[in-house]
Amino acid sequence: AQTVTQSQPEMSVQEAETVTLSCTYDTSESNYYLFWYKQPPSRQMILVIRQEAYKQQNATENRFSVNFQKAAKSFSLKISDSQLGDTAMYFCAFMKRGGDDKIIFGKGTRLHILP
Amino acid sequence: DAGVIQSPRHEVTEMGQEVTLRCKPISGHNSLFWYRQTMMRGLELLIYFNNNVPIDDSGMPEDRFSAKMPNASFSTLKIQPSEPRDSAVYFCASSLRAGLDSPLHFGNGTRLTVT
Repeated sequence: AQTVTQSQPEMSVQEAETVTLSCTYDTSESNYYLFWYKQPPSRQMILVIRQEAYKQQNATENRFSVNFQKAAKSFSLKISDSQLGDTAMYFCAFMKRGGDDKIIFGKGTRLHILP
Repeated sequence: DAGVIQSPRHEVTEMGQEVTLRCKPISGHNSLFWYRQTMMRGLELLIYFNNNVPIDDSGMPEDRFSAKMPNASFSTLKIQPSEPRDSAVYFCASSLRAGLDSPLHFGNGTRLTVT
């Protein structure tokens, strides 16, 4: 069974700073996807970024980038030039490739961007 | 496309009452997932369906929980009888088809409070 662990329940940073959220996972699968989802106070689940495990290049979406270390089973999210609108709960998640689209989530990190 | 539609958005009920949560997936999506979110456990997968058939219900916490998908455009999650520890946000999500590695689309969730 797959597990996803987020060791930081809560973090706070000043606006415009860079912040890194940690995530580790455990799986015996070789082909899979990793995700970061953002959940603002509105409760929406918003896909921030997706990484395919067979790709060595780290995924990037504007100010969001990941550091994917497959051997270490680590998948951290870096937010550059943080903005007040980045305040949210962030979930790291795992999905087996070619499976049932079932996603396993970590418990989340609550991120506060301070003005 | 209206996205995944869940109703009601909020539900407050007394212990012992029956609760029914509703979900309309995106038209054309063949996979549907029910998740529960709590502070303690994060996002847990309760059950998922492919082509209206329940595939894995191992996440359903107790026999008090049941889920149905009578057709491709509607699913329900029922709790009978409800208990205060069932208080949580319940999310429904759908994806195009199992095996395509297609992204999950989430509804806005139902916040359930059992007093």
